[in-house]
Amino acid sequence: QVQLQESGPGLVKPSETLSLTCTVSGGSISRYCWGWIRQPPGKGLEWIGYTCYRGSTNSNTSLKNRVTISIDTSKNQFSLKLNSVTAADTAVYYCARVDDGQRLVDYWGQGTLVTVSS
Amino acid sequence: SYEVTQPPSVSVSPGQTASIICSGDNLGDRYVSWYQQKPGQSPLLIIFQDRKRPSGIPERFSGSNSGNTATLTISGTQVMDEADFYCQAWDSSTGVFGGGTKLTVL
Repeated sequence: QVQLQESGPGLVKPSETLSLTCTVSGGSISRYCWGWIRQPPGKGLEWIGYTCYRGSTNSNTSLKNRVTISIDTSKNQFSLKLNSVTAADTAVYYCARVDDGQRLVDYWGQGTLVTVSS
Repeated sequence: SYEVTQPPSVSVSPGQTASIICSGDNLGDRYVSWYQQKPGQSPLLIIFQDRKRPSGIPERFSGSNSGNTATLTISGTQVMDEADFYCQAWDSSTGVFGGGTKLTVL
């Protein structure tokens, strides 16, 4: 059974970079694609983007090129960097497994709350 | 950019059938997934490719997609089904979520 676990700072200052890591267990990261989805408090889900072991990366254009998603196969981890954050980036951030061929997101981490505040 | 919309809320009595719709331009030409999210939990995939159920998802959950509307149907709704439900489509290589529908079972 694939499991995902997010880790990273829970508080980030405005204008700084939000950095999160997702550790994958129960399966190799060297297959499928791996992505990030966020949910502001009390609101709906928002797609951030995903990257695939084969090298392709796609992100939501609404985030205006602030997003970097990368994979570290040696650690079975992938990461998210979101720069120039504002209070609007405060959210629960979920990492997830993306099967872009089957067009689904089938495994999710438990989520981690990141607050942007000075 | 592509958008899909859902009603904010749906109510159903226990044992009855609940239908949650997801609307978008020519949505029937795209695969739709549905996710169930209970308070404090991560979303759970319950329908993918319009109508397929992952292993372990009860048969009372079903989906369809045609024209501009995808529908999640819950037959014999149980109190435990009360949750937020999100539809998700794809705009090229980006996922697009609906705003979510709160299902109340009472």
